[in-house]
Parts: sequence; structure tokens; C-alpha cells
Amino acid sequence: DAGVIQSPRHEVTEMGQEVTLRCKPISGHNSLFWYRQTMMRGLELLIYFNNNVPIDDSGMPEDRFSAKMPNASFSTLKIQPSEPRDSAVYFCASSLGTHGNTIYFGEGSWLTVV
Amino acid sequence: AQSVTQLDSHVSVSEGTPVLLRCNYSSSYSPSLFWYVQHPNKGLQLLLKYTSAATLVKGINGFEAEFKKSETSFHLTKPSAHMSDAAEYFCVVTDRGSTLGRLYFGRGTQLTVWP
Repeated sequence: DAGVIQSPRHEVTEMGQEVTLRCKPISGHNSLFWYRQTMMRGLELLIYFNNNVPIDDSGMPEDRFSAKMPNASFSTLKIQPSEPRDSAVYFCASSLGTHGNTIYFGEGSWLTVV
Repeated sequence: AQSVTQLDSHVSVSEGTPVLLRCNYSSSYSPSLFWYVQHPNKGLQLLLKYTSAATLVKGINGFEAEFKKSETSFHLTKPSAHMSDAAEYFCVVTDRGSTLGRLYFGRGTQLTVWP
């Protein structure tokens, strides 16, 4: 059974460029989460969706960040324009329901903005 | 409000000795508690979770954790450390009574295992 699939695994981009991170949740899961991990701030929840609807986007740092979930099997996190301080590991995770159920993480997208 | 405090940012043990990673939480509702492990350059993997059943929870790779409501703790233990246990460990809380299901992560504990 495939887990949460993220792409790209690694990306290096120049400041000002648009970055799009992609996520395919586990089939049947109806909650999807985007997290960012840095040494300074640890793991931060950016946004999460339930049944494709954004429930809580209070963690999205600023307007340069946007996330979409057009259907149950796909989500994107976009940064436009990117800045060096966006360099981090971005994790996508999914779960079945939201009431304390296990959340399964992807392997992460390592983003470096130079 | 929910929060998690991992009391040690780094723990070092010798191979074959016990491991104790400490976690305290605060929760307004009935909590679900998790421990995740992250190996270098990898995603987070679930070690074990507590929902509402037995307070002593057994997980993968010989780890276990005990939910102690009176102490608001959920410490992770293993009787004998192995080199492959070297990783970062995250204690996580969520509210079972909440409709939002948001996870709250501790800052993590880096476990080093010496040969």
C-alpha cells in the first residue's frame, strides 16, 4: 500500500522563482496536512484540509504561500515568489478523519532557495 | 489549549542501556498522544499512540510509553537501546474531542546511541 507521496523530493531554486510542491495522500484518507520543518522553528502546521476544504490556514506564513486541494487525491503548496528564508523541509501528511486518528507523513520535499 | 513539552532536546545513551525520552502535555479535552520518530533525511514514522484504551502502549521496535493523566506525562521508554534507534523523536498531542484534529508537536528530542 503506497504511503503519502510527495514531489519533488529535492528542489533548489533561485530567489523570486515560483515553487510548487505536490502531494498525493493515502487513498481513502480525507484529511491532508502541510507542515514545514526548520532547525529554528521545528515542525509548523501550515494548513490542513478536510474533505478537500481548507479548515485551518492560520499557519500559512504570508500571502506568498498558497495551497489547493482540487480533489481527494492531490494537493499543491505553492510559494510565489520564493525567498531564501523559505528554505526548509515541507511535509505532507494525511489521515482518515480528524479525531485523533494517526497521521501518516510523506518523505518530505527538501527546498533550498538561493 | 494544547501544548507539548519535551523536556530534553538531546539524550545520549550507550548501546544496550535503557532509553527514556520525556514528554509532558497540556490538553483541554481528552487527549490522543503519539510518538513519532524521524531518521535523518526521512519523514516522520509513527512509533506508537495512545487514544483511550490501555495506559501502557507498546509500539514498534521495542518502544513503549505510559500515559499518566495525574502527571500529564507520556514518556517513551525502551529497555535496551540499539544503534539504529539514533534519530529524532517527537511527542504529539491532539484532542479527541475536537472537531479540528490539529496535531501539536513537541520540539523534538535527538537521541544519540554510542557503541
